[in-house]
Amino acid sequence: DQQVKQNSPSLSVQEGRISILNCDYTNSMFDYFLWYKKYPAEGPTFLISISSIKDKNEDGRFTVFLNKSAKHLSLHIVPSQPGDSAVYFCAASRTGANNLFFGTGTRLTVIP
Amino acid sequence: EPEVTQTPSHQVTQMGQEVILRCVPISNHLYFYWYRQILGQKVEFLVSFYNNEISEKSEIFDDQFSVERPDGSNFTLKIRSTKLEDSAMYFCASRRSSFNPIQPQHFGDGTRLSIL
Repeated sequence: DQQVKQNSPSLSVQEGRISILNCDYTNSMFDYFLWYKKYPAEGPTFLISISSIKDKNEDGRFTVFLNKSAKHLSLHIVPSQPGDSAVYFCAASRTGANNLFFGTGTRLTVIP
Repeated sequence: EPEVTQTPSHQVTQMGQEVILRCVPISNHLYFYWYRQILGQKVEFLVSFYNNEISEKSEIFDDQFSVERPDGSNFTLKIRSTKLEDSAMYFCASRRSSFNPIQPQHFGDGTRLSIL
């Protein structure tokens, strides 16, 4: 089951620069997308979401972009901070369904 | 901020034994979920629960699994006869409502289940 893919297992960014995390999906029925952040020994923490009726959603330093035609979304973090170092999961679902489909995650390291 | 709590944080069980994982969802949430993450793999959906019944389940959620909301606060996952391949991190999640699609699921910190 590879409906949601995060092809970069890791990413390193200098503090203050932009972090861009990418996610691709294959199921055109998905209409709701989320990003979660996960620290070791903790559960996923909700970060930001976007509905398929939008192509951008912004919350402080975090912006999610959705390209429906390419079935691609990305999370931009700017400026990146050392506390952002974590594993970031992309997840997707469709209206009427309850479950989330997760990607495999990208480990972000922000270097001070 | 309210949070989903899970107990225990780590459970070690002999193969073939029954295990119950416990969760206290956020108090005004109506939808409840269990997910699991086998080491090195992605988080996978197991089951969703609403209005005291299962609303959706995955292929993983076979007859060995069951869920229950025995009172107004707890939500449990039972594995009747554990197998080695049940070793994983199990996450509970809850969501306030499904009517507005922009309602994220909130996750607990998980229970690490180790089957010997």
